[in-house]
Amino acid sequence: GAGVSQTPSNKVTEKGKYVELRCDPISGHTALYWYRQSLGQGPEFLIYFQGTGAADDSGLPNDRFFAVRPEGSVSTLKIQRTERGDSAVYLCASSLMEGAGGYTFGSGTRLTVV
Amino acid sequence: SQQGEEDPQALSIQEGENATMNCSYKTSINNLQWYRQNSGRGLVHLILIRSNEREKHSGRLRVTLDTSKKSSSLLITASRAADTASYFCATDAGTYKYIFGTGTRLKVLA
Repeated sequence: GAGVSQTPSNKVTEKGKYVELRCDPISGHTALYWYRQSLGQGPEFLIYFQGTGAADDSGLPNDRFFAVRPEGSVSTLKIQRTERGDSAVYLCASSLMEGAGGYTFGSGTRLTVV
Repeated sequence: SQQGEEDPQALSIQEGENATMNCSYKTSINNLQWYRQNSGRGLVHLILIRSNEREKHSGRLRVTLDTSKKSSSLLITASRAADTASYFCATDAGTYKYIFGTGTRLKVLA
């Protein structure tokens, strides 16, 4: 597509539930990144993929968070047993290749855990 | 953890004035980028400067990089109300992922 698409744009879920956030990167971009942003803060790195593999998942806060990119394009961020502290905007970005910089960001998914 | 830190945290100027934002970072880098964010959603890439570059221009934007001081500045000349946004620097810390700073909230008054 023309840009990075993230769905849903907003998600409200109850504490303890499971959620999936989807990212559809720009066609041909091999590198895909997930960030999380809390109000008034900068984006916090979670994980990035080069192709199908997670090249660096050091930013995932704990084992409730998991992300996949099975075919090297669309990625899904999965959060189990959601907690109120998981509430944030989850941002996805892609770039032509890792290290290229010049990320194109999606509009994000605002996750609210109640 | 945050690699970069922007200064000031907030800046309010009149339309037509210049706006300068600074970014300091902690570890050696290959590249540094600046992004703009409106309304707390998607970020827009503004400019990338490499560690062997000292200055770069793009339209009304001028970015400088001083690797000896581990700092960068973003200058927006002749600001407009539409420049009102948050601005973030992002550094690669020698890896393939970029770490963002805390941001400067710029408000341009018409």
